[in-house]
Amino acid sequence: AQSVTQLGSHVSVSEGALVLLRCNYSSSVPPYLFWYVQYPNQGLQLLLKYTTGATLVKGINGFEAEFKKSETSFHLTKPSAHMSDAAEYFCAVRGVNDYKLSFGAGTTVTVRA
Amino acid sequence: EAQVTQNPRYLITVTGKKLTVTCSQNMNHEYMSWYRQDPGLGLRQIYYSMNVEVTDKGDVPEGYKVSRKEKRNFPLILESPSPNQTSLYFCAIRQKSTDTQYFGPGTRLTVL
Repeated sequence: AQSVTQLGSHVSVSEGALVLLRCNYSSSVPPYLFWYVQYPNQGLQLLLKYTTGATLVKGINGFEAEFKKSETSFHLTKPSAHMSDAAEYFCAVRGVNDYKLSFGAGTTVTVRA
Repeated sequence: EAQVTQNPRYLITVTGKKLTVTCSQNMNHEYMSWYRQDPGLGLRQIYYSMNVEVTDKGDVPEGYKVSRKEKRNFPLILESPSPNQTSLYFCAIRQKSTDTQYFGPGTRLTVL
C-alpha cells in the first residue's frame, strides 16, 4: 500500500521567492510519483511525474521535483514564484502495476505581491 | 491530449433523490476512475474500471455505483444520496502511452 504526507496545508510566499512544497511517501514497492496542480474552480493538471531514471524531474511552469529514495521524499520547487502560481498542489503516489493514485491532503499556495 | 468531460458541473439535490454524474472520454482509453475531493483529505478513489464490463471498488465505494457498458463512458450513480456525499467529484482516465492519469473538470455536488 502507498500513502503520501504533504507537510504544510498552507504556504505563503512573496512574488519572486522560492517555492518549496514538501511531500513524503511510504510505499512497499518502488513508486511512481506525481505532482498535480489545481487552480481555483478547475480540475487537476499534471505538473510533473517520476517513474524511473533521472531523479530530478522538470515539469511545466518552471517547477521541478527531486526523488530521494533514502529520504522517501519528492519535494516540489520553483526558484521564483509568480502570482499565477497561486493554487492548490497535490502530491500523489502509485505502484508500478497499480493504477490507483493515493493523494496527499494538498498544499494551498498563496503568493504575496 | 486526452479529454475528459463531466456533466453536470454543478448539482444541488436533496437526500434520497437518485442522480447520475456522467463521464466521457474521447480516445478509447481502457482505464477510468472516479475520485472525490474533500478538504484536508485530498482525493480518494471511489471506483475504477479496467475495461468494458470490468469495474472494481476503490477506497470509498459506499453509497456509489458505476457501470461501464461502453469504453468511452463511465457514469457515477448515487442511488440514494446523503449529505455526507456532498463533495467535488473527478473522473480520470489513464493514458496508456504515457502511463499518466488525466482528470476531468470536476462536478461539485451538494446534497441537502
